Amino acid sequence: AQSVTQLDSQVPVFEEAPVELRCNYSSSVSVYLFWYVQYPNQGLQLLLKYLSGSTLVKGINGFEAEFNKSQTSFHLRKPSVHISDTAEYFCAFLPGGFKTIFGAGTRLFVKA
Amino acid sequence: DAMVIQNPRYQVTQFGKPVTLSCSQTLNHNVMYWYQQKSSQAPKLLFHYYDKDFNNEADTPDNFQSRRPNTSFCFLDIRSPGLGDAAMYLCATSEASASYNEQFFGPGTRLTVL
Repeated sequence: AQSVTQLDSQVPVFEEAPVELRCNYSSSVSVYLFWYVQYPNQGLQLLLKYLSGSTLVKGINGFEAEFNKSQTSFHLRKPSVHISDTAEYFCAFLPGGFKTIFGAGTRLFVKA
Repeated sequence: DAMVIQNPRYQVTQFGKPVTLSCSQTLNHNVMYWYQQKSSQAPKLLFHYYDKDFNNEADTPDNFQSRRPNTSFCFLDIRSPGLGDAAMYLCATSEASASYNEQFFGPGTRLTVL
């Protein structure tokens, strides 16, 4: 079955520390992979996407992610977080057709 | 700027009183989606329109209906809202002819049921 697993439901981190949000996917076909951010009471905003090519993808707000086909992972990283990065982060992939498979989300909480 | 717009951003309704949520887009995409998102959960697809073709997810309750009168607008109708329907409702669009079906999301409407 096609699925996305976000391994951490919550990640607390101090401001200016690095962070990694983990995502694993399960699919038997080629996938397009995405990370979205959702601030309180707002919609989903695209952070970055992997379609093909370079496995290291850079996105907005200083985030980057690395696609690892052998480990079926697409972990999101930021070298130094800010208070304003506190939000919910969703990993997702497009297996084809009109369906988007979302992970359950990871709540990033940045502490001063 | 091309965008997905949802109105209202916050909607309060009474138990059992029909409510309609609105979504419009300036992207001219041919696919529009409605998602329900409950607190601390991933968005759950309710249905989507591909042009005029309506596609309902198998587990979407009959209480939820949708209309797409033209390319730009799509409505979500909840015929008899229950307390369990309180959630954030997200509209999204995509272009089916694109090489991948990236979805663009609106800001959402938070529905409260009293």
